[in-house]
Amino acid sequence: NAGVMQNPRHLVRRRGQEARLRCSPMKGHSHVYWYRQLPEEGLKFMVYLQKENIIDESGMPKERFSAEFPKEGPSILRIQQVVRGDSAAYFCASSPQGTGSNSPLHFGNGTRLTVT
Amino acid sequence: DQQVKQNSPSLSVQEGRISILNCDYTNSMFDYFLWYKKYPAEGPTFLISISSIKDKNEDGRFTVFLNKSAKHLSLHIVPSQPGDSAVYFCAASVTGGFKTIFGAGTRLFVKA
Repeated sequence: NAGVMQNPRHLVRRRGQEARLRCSPMKGHSHVYWYRQLPEEGLKFMVYLQKENIIDESGMPKERFSAEFPKEGPSILRIQQVVRGDSAAYFCASSPQGTGSNSPLHFGNGTRLTVT
Repeated sequence: DQQVKQNSPSLSVQEGRISILNCDYTNSMFDYFLWYKKYPAEGPTFLISISSIKDKNEDGRFTVFLNKSAKHLSLHIVPSQPGDSAVYFCAASVTGGFKTIFGAGTRLFVKA
């Protein structure tokens, strides 16, 4: 499967624990985006990364959330000390070029995070 | 700040008829618009797009219309099929920008 791979598909964490969500972009894609979908809401932009660089993190909460896209390996979205309000579906997308070049995004199937 | 709005949460259409999904935007800097389709438990998939230099783009049963003066676009699906039942997201971006902004989605039900 050459598509965007996200794991795990489902993640359950207790309040206060850490959540790590992984995303491997499509082969040849060096631009990665993370979106969050809260229940009954649309997709909210969180962060845009290129290899080893955060380009735009304007949609990511300043505290507890961080993202990285290392030179080797998948992109990681990390949520520390999770709270119930973090429960959502987190989607990763990739593109061969940035969205500024009008490349459509290719999405993974998401990680559904449930905080108990 | 809801820069991209889809005011109809759901739409029900009979098989074979036309489905029209609407989208409004507020940011006049947007110059590229896309529609994505999402099935349950899957990620969104790209459907069709349109640049602001055009007012219509057609791909098979799917046509997107853009009215820049009204800051409005619509997706027409004709004829509608039961397999089209999904959530449709309208999205917009700025050439040279960093992010694509999505609407809240419209759930389409196509009845057989």
